[in-house]
Amino acid sequence: TQLLEQSPQFLSIQEGENLTVYCNSSSVFSSLQWYRQEPGEGPVLLVTVVTGGEVKKLKRLTFQFGDARKDSSLHITAAQTGDTGLYLCAGAHQAGTALIFGKGTTLSVSS
Amino acid sequence: GAGVSQSPRYKVAKRGQDVALRCDPISGHVSLFWYQQALGQGPEFLTYFQNEAQLDKSGLPSDRFFAERPEGSVSTLKIQRTQQEDSAVYLCASSLSLGKIWYNEQFFGPGTRLTVL
Repeated sequence: TQLLEQSPQFLSIQEGENLTVYCNSSSVFSSLQWYRQEPGEGPVLLVTVVTGGEVKKLKRLTFQFGDARKDSSLHITAAQTGDTGLYLCAGAHQAGTALIFGKGTTLSVSS
Repeated sequence: GAGVSQSPRYKVAKRGQDVALRCDPISGHVSLFWYQQALGQGPEFLTYFQNEAQLDKSGLPSDRFFAERPEGSVSTLKIQRTQQEDSAVYLCASSLSLGKIWYNEQFFGPGTRLTVL
């Protein structure tokens, strides 16, 4: 089984702080996605990265795919209470195949 | 357009009962995936369809789990003789999946929360 290790598992911060979530694997992925999931809902896609070294920005969120396509990070600048949720990274070894998910990072942002 | 829908949203079953969970994918999406998500964990793959063909069922935990997609659109996940360890959220996702890397993106439904007593 190819695993995706996410860290930290839990993160509790104050509004305005910055944070980084990491997603690591020993295997290469053809693409990697980041999802955000709220209680009682399915995961919602935030971004897909496909090229080693790629950096994508989505407002205050910055996503990076490692040069070797084995790892990724999500950086949030000036966190807001609305960022609270479960953040999941998911990788695919081939296009169109099932996603392998990390266990997730539960983020709590308090005012 | 409409997203992925699942029904029922919640299901309580007595141990030993059979259940059927339904997924309506996004119209035109070729691929359909079922995942199981335990509380506080990431989703785990169960099975995958491309149109009506079940291409991968390696994640199904036992022969009590069965999935079908007879007309290549709606899919049903059936669990026979439910056990307490089957309690989880069952997520369905669909994807265009035309073999190009950009179409790896999967869109998820809200899930069905199954509780087996």
